[in-house]
Amino acid sequence: DADVTQTPRNRITKTGKRIMLECSQTKGHDRMYWYRQDPGLGLRLIYYSFDVKDINKGEISDGYSVSRQAQAKFSLSLESAIPNQTALYFCATSDLWQGRETQYFGPGTRLLVL
Amino acid sequence: AQSVTQLGSHVSVSEGALVLLRCNYSSSVPPYLFWYVQYPNQGLQLLLKYTSAATLVKGINGFEAEFKKSETSFHLTKPSAHMSDAAEYFCAVSDINAGGTSYGKLTFGQGTILTVHP
Repeated sequence: DADVTQTPRNRITKTGKRIMLECSQTKGHDRMYWYRQDPGLGLRLIYYSFDVKDINKGEISDGYSVSRQAQAKFSLSLESAIPNQTALYFCATSDLWQGRETQYFGPGTRLLVL
Repeated sequence: AQSVTQLGSHVSVSEGALVLLRCNYSSSVPPYLFWYVQYPNQGLQLLLKYTSAATLVKGINGFEAEFKKSETSFHLTKPSAHMSDAAEYFCAVSDINAGGTSYGKLTFGQGTILTVHP
């Protein structure tokens, strides 16, 4: 079984709709992240959470919100989707060893906003 | 702030040839560096990471990378390419504070698509 799962894997929605992307992990990590990937731009950080009560904005948080329901679950919401939010979205978790962390990624959710 | 530049958005090699994917970084503190690989329609898989223990880092699938502080580089190599190596490769640097602790952000390069010809 995968350690980091994302649902749905693919989603098509219309402009103005609210949509939620979900991420679950069985790795027992405290830290979780949401990134988006666009061709030629690599991955950019949307939000991250160091624990259930600690949520932080990344470099491109406008138009997004998150919820950390439990250590294992971190959801990303688009309150009113727009076409330029069409992208591949990745959730990641990380472990921390001697102050250094390594991130592990889910399989991604491909979102198309019409 | 840390940054990463991957030189060449596309690299094409023949099967059996050397693979060299270039990554240069900018960091005000000793960096913590990664290479990830993304196969078509899949997520990112960790290939290897540099944690300051050794400058030559060996990863999975025969890949390795050498950290060169003087050149601010962390290039990825593989002596002999296989068809199965065709994928997109990302170099990333972890944000760390002056005390050397990661504080949660990976900065990625733009990615390099590797094509392997028969």
